[in-house]
Amino acid sequence: NAGVTQTPKFQVLKTGQSMTLQCAQDMNHEYMSWYRQDPGMGLRLIHYSVGAGITDQGEVPNGYNVSRSTTEDFPLRLLSAAPSQTSVYFCASMIWGTGELFFGEGSRLTVL
Amino acid sequence: EDQVTQSPEALRLQEGESSSLNCSYTVSGLRGLFWYRQDPGKGPEFLFTLYSAGEEKEKERLKATLTKKESFLHITAPKPEDSATYLCAVQAWTGTASKLTFGTGTRLQVTL
Repeated sequence: NAGVTQTPKFQVLKTGQSMTLQCAQDMNHEYMSWYRQDPGMGLRLIHYSVGAGITDQGEVPNGYNVSRSTTEDFPLRLLSAAPSQTSVYFCASMIWGTGELFFGEGSRLTVL
Repeated sequence: EDQVTQSPEALRLQEGESSSLNCSYTVSGLRGLFWYRQDPGKGPEFLFTLYSAGEEKEKERLKATLTKKESFLHITAPKPEDSATYLCAVQAWTGTASKLTFGTGTRLQVTL
């Protein structure tokens, strides 16, 4: 099992550009989520999904879009990148309700 | 609003020098408290779940304990490979039970 796979690992964007961070899991977890991690801020929840076709907003959803068409995939879209979105992004999945998150290795995004 | 505060921010120990990390929390109805380990450039890795005051969990040199207001991660006779950032998170009883609130972590360095 690969667990949670994120691509790309590194990305540099210019302000206003759009892009998609990919996330896939092979553990058949219902729950998937996206976090961002910034120095001194801890992990903050952006969006989450409790199953295919169901998504909801987390703590910091503005500027991001998600969709969940399959159990395995949960892409995060940046619609118009801003320097404030410079961060490390983590995708995580879990068995519904347990709280035991399985994280990907992260995607480091820099917006110039 | 759920809050998690971890202390100290950073801790440097010599090999074999035992110590404790603190996680204090405020939450409206604790469903679970979680400890994660994060190595540089990697995603967090799940360590423990604690559900009720008085509960303890152990894994190798690590022992996690829980009271009604805080949790401790005790490290006994640490080794250099225990160097990492340790994250604490809480999950509250909500309609969806989907949200974990993370602390900012304690960065532990164990030297020879």
